[in-house]
Amino acid sequence: GAVVSQHPSWVICKSGTSVKIECRSLDFQATTMFWYRQFPKQSLMLMATSNEGSKATYEQGVEKDKFLINHASLTLSTLTVTSAHPEDSSFYICSARDLRGTNTEAFFGQGTRLTVV
Amino acid sequence: DQQVKQNSPSLSVQEGRISILNCDYTNSMFDYFLWYKKYPAEGPTFLISISSIKDKNEDGRFTVFLNKSAKHLSLHIVPSQPGDSAVYFCAALGGAQKLVFGQGTRLTINP
Repeated sequence: GAVVSQHPSWVICKSGTSVKIECRSLDFQATTMFWYRQFPKQSLMLMATSNEGSKATYEQGVEKDKFLINHASLTLSTLTVTSAHPEDSSFYICSARDLRGTNTEAFFGQGTRLTVV
Repeated sequence: DQQVKQNSPSLSVQEGRISILNCDYTNSMFDYFLWYKKYPAEGPTFLISISSIKDKNEDGRFTVFLNKSAKHLSLHIVPSQPGDSAVYFCAALGGAQKLVFGQGTRLTINP
């Protein structure tokens, strides 16, 4: 299957700092990327949907000024957690899809474990 | 409102036997369903999918069954192997091409 690379796989940061997570589609062009957050023992919760070259669409309850998403190219989307706090500690996962064809399969990155201390 | 539900948080199965993971959904507009497997601290890995126009899709040891009238799908793994131990998520393709996930079922295969 297609490969989606997410970096870093884990990060520890101090409260009040910002952290950037990258999501790259390595062997296909991703028209759409999705960012998920997973709390312990819970399902993956969709945070936002980003389409290449346009503003991200955020799910209800997700602060767009706190979770900045950029999708500047067909192979890269970034999620920046601004002014991180301990409650932002979580497992963040990106997913990439090419919606121009008939293949609806979504490919996931390896995830990023964020710990804010 | 949980549109996709996996009511069993965990399941234990003997190696070599059949594992059956269940998933229910409420939105009749879903037209595509997927199963993902996830190990701790990793992203989900796609396993198998099924379109709403089908009632069965098989890929090796994995078979997914869809019962549209009951809004229910299941994943069968046979024979179960120790490497199958993981958390399994069912997901449905909703509006705006978003995947809606169930809560996951932790499958443990016992030797």
